[in-house]
Amino acid sequence: GAVVSQHPSWVICKSGTSVKIECRSLDFQATTMFWYRQFPKQSLMLMATSNEGSKATYEQGVEKDKFLINHASLTLSTLTVTSAHPEDSSFYICSAREAGYQPQHFGDGTRLSIL
Amino acid sequence: AQSVTQPDIHITVSEGASLELRCNYSYGATPYLFWYVQSPGQGLQLLLKYFSGDTLVQGIKGFEAEFKRSQSSFNLRKPSVHWSDAAEYFCAVGFLNSGGGADGLTFGKGTHLIIQP
Repeated sequence: GAVVSQHPSWVICKSGTSVKIECRSLDFQATTMFWYRQFPKQSLMLMATSNEGSKATYEQGVEKDKFLINHASLTLSTLTVTSAHPEDSSFYICSAREAGYQPQHFGDGTRLSIL
Repeated sequence: AQSVTQPDIHITVSEGASLELRCNYSYGATPYLFWYVQSPGQGLQLLLKYFSGDTLVQGIKGFEAEFKRSQSSFNLRKPSVHWSDAAEYFCAVGFLNSGGGADGLTFGKGTHLIIQP
């Protein structure tokens, strides 16, 4: 149980384009979803927290207009990297958890490469 | 602000030997503690968690961790490692929000585990 699916797993695109990443909880209702960013050989850094039906809460230093997050249902959250540039290239990982004292379950990540 | 320290960037262990990965946290109250494992290019898999109660926590794949409040530590142990345990291990701390769940996690920098044959 507690499977989180993230799609796509790898995307390469040209500078200036927008990229959407989906995060789905397959067998549970995700009250809260989180988006993390991981640079090579480094730890995960929390970007934002989203609760279903509410606006996402962004961590300090994360551009809201660059990284658009939508959590429209209890099973789906999306991260859209707008007008992506090479410095946005990274490994993006989502996680989701149910309400209450539940741990986060992570997706397999999306490797984003901007040329 | 909370922080998590994993003092060992790399650890090399012989297959069959015991393992201990260190984790220390800094926070004013009792945190919620987690250990995750990440294989190259993959997401994170939860090994175990501590919310309350028994300070010795059993996880998957034969791992366990012990919460020591006096030392602000949550070290991960395994009595006998297997070659398949080679991966990156992350300790993380979360905090209880008003909704009853742990907020976004703060991760340590990770410990890269190498298994020698």
